[in-house]
Amino acid sequence: RKEVEQDPGPFNVPEGATVAFNCTYSNSASQSFFWYRQDCRKEPKLLMSVYSSGNEDGRFTAQLNRASQYISLLIRDSKLSDSATYLCVVNQGGGADGLTFGKGTHLIIQP
Amino acid sequence: EAGVAQSPRYKIIEKRQSVAFWCNPISGHATLYWYQQILGQGPKLLIQFQNNGVVDDSQLPKDRFSAERLKGVDSTLKIQPAKLEDSAVYLCASSLGMGGNTIYFGEGSWLTVV
Repeated sequence: RKEVEQDPGPFNVPEGATVAFNCTYSNSASQSFFWYRQDCRKEPKLLMSVYSSGNEDGRFTAQLNRASQYISLLIRDSKLSDSATYLCVVNQGGGADGLTFGKGTHLIIQP
Repeated sequence: EAGVAQSPRYKIIEKRQSVAFWCNPISGHATLYWYQQILGQGPKLLIQFQNNGVVDDSQLPKDRFSAERLKGVDSTLKIQPAKLEDSAVYLCASSLGMGGNTIYFGEGSWLTVV
């Protein structure tokens, strides 16, 4: 099974700062990419899909680089409520679409 | 709209005992997944159903884990006999179909094996 790699952190960032993290994936056949957010002791929830052209949702921007097989997430003007674990998610491609999750990057926004 | 329902929320059992988890997906969702999440790691897919058929169970430890979705709606995941390393959160998820549809997770069933 192909892997998804993330820096586990934690990233300690002051409120209002910009933070970015990347994720690399090994399966070149992957076609769908997502960022999920997981709060402590809660289930993962979709934050945003990642499109080839990149996409932005408010303070969040996701980018995909197929040639280098990495995905990035940028958070601008970070809020205390952004503190969470961010999971990079890639589908396997080739039929079965079970998603492969990275281990997550732990983000702590400090006041 | 009701979300993915799971039960029980918490379970503590001794090693070598058995346990079963139940999941009711979002109404109309054809695809159902069981994921295992060990503390500090991302969720790992155990099994994926499309209606009542298995699409992927390549990471399911079949000597001790089993899952079924007999009528294409509810699903159960069973572990027998449990080992200490099975301590994890078991997350059920569902999506409308395959091919990149958004996956919605239940709150999870927290298992501790002692």
